[in-house]
Amino acid sequence: DTAVSQTPKYLVTQMGNDKSIKCEQNLGHDTMYWYKQDSKKFLKIMFSYNNKELIINETVPNRFSPKSPDKAHLNLHINSLELGDSAVYFCASSLTSNQPQHFGDGTRLSIL
Amino acid sequence: GENVEQHPSTLSVQEGDSAVIKCTYSDSASNYFPWYKQELGKGPQLIIDIRSNVGEKKDQRIAVTLNKTAKHFSLHITETQPEDSAVYFCATGESGGGNKLTFGTGTQLKVEL
Repeated sequence: DTAVSQTPKYLVTQMGNDKSIKCEQNLGHDTMYWYKQDSKKFLKIMFSYNNKELIINETVPNRFSPKSPDKAHLNLHINSLELGDSAVYFCASSLTSNQPQHFGDGTRLSIL
Repeated sequence: GENVEQHPSTLSVQEGDSAVIKCTYSDSASNYFPWYKQELGKGPQLIIDIRSNVGEKKDQRIAVTLNKTAKHFSLHITETQPEDSAVYFCATGESGGGNKLTFGTGTQLKVEL
């Protein structure tokens, strides 16, 4: 009965590879987000989608491309992975774009 | 852009004591102030939030106070318990801003027996 679920939980890969992280929410929420938490635990928003439309796009390299096939899913695809991409990536959702956000348990991405 | 400062970075209290974490922000347009608790290996969990039309909100042992004039808000935890040990984050948001949250740098709270 997980509300916001991310897969995989851990992802270890080589520099230069392309990888995807999937996120699904079963709360019926309209808005979904991706956040990055660095090694110092600093949390920063990357993207936000409302009803499959991009509404927030922070200064993120264009190697990162979010995709929302429907409002219950927001996937994150990363091309040409770099060492600095190593972090924990959190997906979140909210009922509307003006409501509290609920987070998944994160995907720890490690670049070798 | 918004800048959120959070203090202290670490806080150690005895079980049963109170804990207070403070945040200041810079953007006067911010009108939404949530607090999150993050346990090891887990995502941030919303524990309480307040909007700018309210000065204080309480939920059992947790309370948040907001001073919009001074641009600061605080989290108060009373009668602390070992299970309160975690990293706590404050954040700010703005209605109409797409619900973009700007987070503080976190406070590692340790409740000792």
